[in-house]
Amino acid sequence: QVQLQESGPGLVKPSGTLSLTCTVSGGSISTSNWWSWVRQPPGKGLEWIGEIYRSGGTNYAPSLKSRVTISVDVSKNQFSLRLTSVTAADTAVYYCARLAVIPAAIGFDSWGQGTLVTVSS
Amino acid sequence: DIQMTQSPSSLSASVGDRVTITCRASQTIGKYLSWYQQKPGKAPNLLIYAASTLQSEVPSRFSGSGSGTDFTLTINSLRPEDFGTYFCQQSYSTPRTFGPGTKVDFK
Repeated sequence: QVQLQESGPGLVKPSGTLSLTCTVSGGSISTSNWWSWVRQPPGKGLEWIGEIYRSGGTNYAPSLKSRVTISVDVSKNQFSLRLTSVTAADTAVYYCARLAVIPAAIGFDSWGQGTLVTVSS
Repeated sequence: DIQMTQSPSSLSASVGDRVTITCRASQTIGKYLSWYQQKPGKAPNLLIYAASTLQSEVPSRFSGSGSGTDFTLTINSLRPEDFGTYFCQQSYSTPRTFGPGTKVDFK
């Protein structure tokens, strides 16, 4: 069973850059799945941020596209999120997740535990 | 973007009740619809994918139906551990979108 684990700073200053890494264990990141980031502001719903394929192909949420970069490091079995020019509105629990593809995308079948990132000075 | 709506936004039910949650997509998504359960402080858990296929190890009291734009999640004989918030999500196209959630608590 694949496992995902987020890591990164829990506090980011306004106008700064949020950087998180997701480490995948128990399976290869080089499988035919999309590796994704989803966030959830405190007390609110789930927001998809974007996804990356093993080849490096990406898709991003239009509302965040100008500020988001997702990258993959196949050698380390990791993928990463970078969100620039953050504001308090970016405060949320950030999850990494696997969007399973068998062969079409079916849903997020594996999730990290989530990490709270607070934007504050 | 495909917008997802859910109803009701919350419900209270008793152990043993049958609970139904509906999800509607703003355009047709075939059967590319998943349901998740989330408990406080935890990541969502995939219950159903492809509108009606039960994820491995999910109890059979959960079932899903629908296609196109209208979908339903049913919990037969509600158990205490079924409290939480339920989300639908479409994988038909990007951006992947979630419904706003339905909070289930106990009377």
